[in-house]
Amino acid sequence: QKEVEQNSGPLSVPEGAIASLNCTYSDRGSQSFFWYRQYSGKSPELIMSIYSNGDKEDGRFTAQLNKASQYVSLLIRDSQPSDSATYLCAVHNNNDMRFGAGTRLTVKP
Amino acid sequence: KAGVTQTPRYLIKTRGQQVTLSCSPISGHRSVSWYQQTPGQGLQFLFEYFSETQRNKGNFPGRFSGRQFSNSRSEMNVSTLELGDSALYLCASSDGGSANEKLFFGSGTQLSVL
Repeated sequence: QKEVEQNSGPLSVPEGAIASLNCTYSDRGSQSFFWYRQYSGKSPELIMSIYSNGDKEDGRFTAQLNKASQYVSLLIRDSQPSDSATYLCAVHNNNDMRFGAGTRLTVKP
Repeated sequence: KAGVTQTPRYLIKTRGQQVTLSCSPISGHRSVSWYQQTPGQGLQFLFEYFSETQRNKGNFPGRFSGRQFSNSRSEMNVSTLELGDSALYLCASSDGGSANEKLFFGSGTQLSVL
């Protein structure tokens, strides 16, 4: 079992729709959770972090964490073509960060 | 503040050779992590250095090694290169002081092994 799992996609949504990205992790001791966005040919950049159960909103982005279910999600409201990228879920524990393989999102105009 | 700087940007090597990659973290950041990224495997953790000490290590063979200097700059070395080592190698820096640390990535070094 991989430590951090994501659906590889591709996930395609129309412009203006809500994109929902999901991630599960195996280590119950994990402490911090992050979403990174990676455009093609570029390096990952941090877009959201979440540390406690519940929802955290930042602009069009909402991160959701459920530690009991070992589940993290990212919602992107009013999706724009510029949101088209690969989204990486990252989980931190024991001094290192582990990444999922990423979900490729395409937002169609 | 300047971002994370990785050099070189591109490298072409042949099997059996060795390679050294360099990473300069954001000023004030004490932790440097290295990742290998390939289309099939995604981002795989290599190792992390904090204050010149290797704090954690991923599941890579001993051919992959690294070090960190007193100015927090880090180098990664791969010896006896194999075709499968072709990948994008990313360095990330962070303050390293807590579990809430956020990673800031460099542009990466694209290594091609022929």
